[in-house]
Amino acid sequence: IAGITQAPTSQILAAGRRMTLRCTQDMRHNAMYWYRQDLGLGLRLIHYSNTAGTTGKGEVPDGYSVSRANTDDFPLTLASAVPSQTSVYFCASSDTGGGGSDEQFFGPGTRLTVL
Amino acid sequence: GQQVMQIPQYQHVQEGEDFTTYCNSSTTLSNIQWYKQRPGGHPVFLIQLVKSGEVKKQKRLTFQFGEAKKNSSLHITATQTTDVGTYFCAGPNTGTASKLTFGTGTRLQVTL
Repeated sequence: IAGITQAPTSQILAAGRRMTLRCTQDMRHNAMYWYRQDLGLGLRLIHYSNTAGTTGKGEVPDGYSVSRANTDDFPLTLASAVPSQTSVYFCASSDTGGGGSDEQFFGPGTRLTVL
Repeated sequence: GQQVMQIPQYQHVQEGEDFTTYCNSSTTLSNIQWYKQRPGGHPVFLIQLVKSGEVKKQKRLTFQFGEAKKNSSLHITATQTTDVGTYFCAGPNTGTASKLTFGTGTRLQVTL
């Protein structure tokens, strides 16, 4: 069982380019999340999805979009990358999305550098 | 907005010494979770506390939830090099459809 996979592992991207980070889970979890991790700032929620077909904005959604066409996949798109989006991106999932009481399972992360 | 702060930001101990990290929320929490992230790795769930004043132990790790449910602590007894990593607390964010708000994390370094 893989759990959560993310691709690519790392990427260097020119500013202004479009980029999609992929996330797939095989646990049939309803809820999925995207976080960015920056030194000294911990993990900040970008977007989330409580169930397939629905998405919501987190703490830092600007410059990012997501979609949830099915249960397993939750891609994160940067329409026009900027250097401030240089970060480590983690995808996570939980069995349900309500109440913030479920354990979250994290993928291995994608290290993105925007030049 | 809700803030979850952790102190210290960083601690360096010698193997065998004890370690404590403290987590403080600006709002009352219905529960608190703790995660560990090894260097270069991803966060991994450790435990969840729900009740006021609750104390839970996992081998050398002791987790406590404050009486007012606004703070929590993680204490490691006799640290080992395997304890190296960053420890995060996280609590429900009522301002974002009850998603988790993660604390700023405490990075623990253990040397022989």
